[in-house]
Amino acid sequence: DADVTQTPRNRITKTGKRIMLECSQTKGHDRMYWYRQDPGLGLRLIYYSFDVKDINKGEISDGYSVSRQAQAKFSLSLESAIPNQTALYFCATRGTRNYGYTFGSGTRLTVV
Amino acid sequence: GQSLEQPSEVTAVEGAIVQINCTYQTSGFYGLSWYQQHDGGAPTFLSYNALDGLEETGRFSSFLSRSDSYGYLLLQELQMKDSASYFCAVRDSGQAGTALIFGKGTTLSVSS
Repeated sequence: DADVTQTPRNRITKTGKRIMLECSQTKGHDRMYWYRQDPGLGLRLIYYSFDVKDINKGEISDGYSVSRQAQAKFSLSLESAIPNQTALYFCATRGTRNYGYTFGSGTRLTVV
Repeated sequence: GQSLEQPSEVTAVEGAIVQINCTYQTSGFYGLSWYQQHDGGAPTFLSYNALDGLEETGRFSSFLSRSDSYGYLLLQELQMKDSASYFCAVRDSGQAGTALIFGKGTTLSVSS
């Protein structure tokens, strides 16, 4: 099993629908992150969490919300999806003693 | 605000050496990281520099000059499999200073 698992891998949804992207990890890391990737724009930070009671906004949090249900689970929600939220979404984790992030395989979301 | 600048594209031939530069402007600095991403896959961690100087890991090396707000990734003995996007990233100086901010990425194309 992958260290960081994202579901679904691909999703097409309609404008105005609520959608949740899920992330779970088996690395025991306390820090979890959600990034969005658009062609030519790199990876942009949406939200991050350092433990279950700690949630922080990133540079592009508008239109998104998150929930840290447990140390191992961090979900990203789009309350009312819009077409410009079409992107590749990545979840990542980092342990306290690690420098590098471990990324999931991504969720490709299309809003039509 | 914070920004990272890196070239959008670099091309090279097998066996060559290529250097990918990254300059950054940040309100705080907690280290420069490099990630590799193959076509839409998960980014993978390559290296981390917190102090000035060169860090070598096999065919890849990473350099940092904090006084110049500059770093680079050096790839030696290029192979076709090195064709990928490479991202530099700095640790944010936000609330807890550990969320990475990424550059827009450099696409490396290696030809035979």
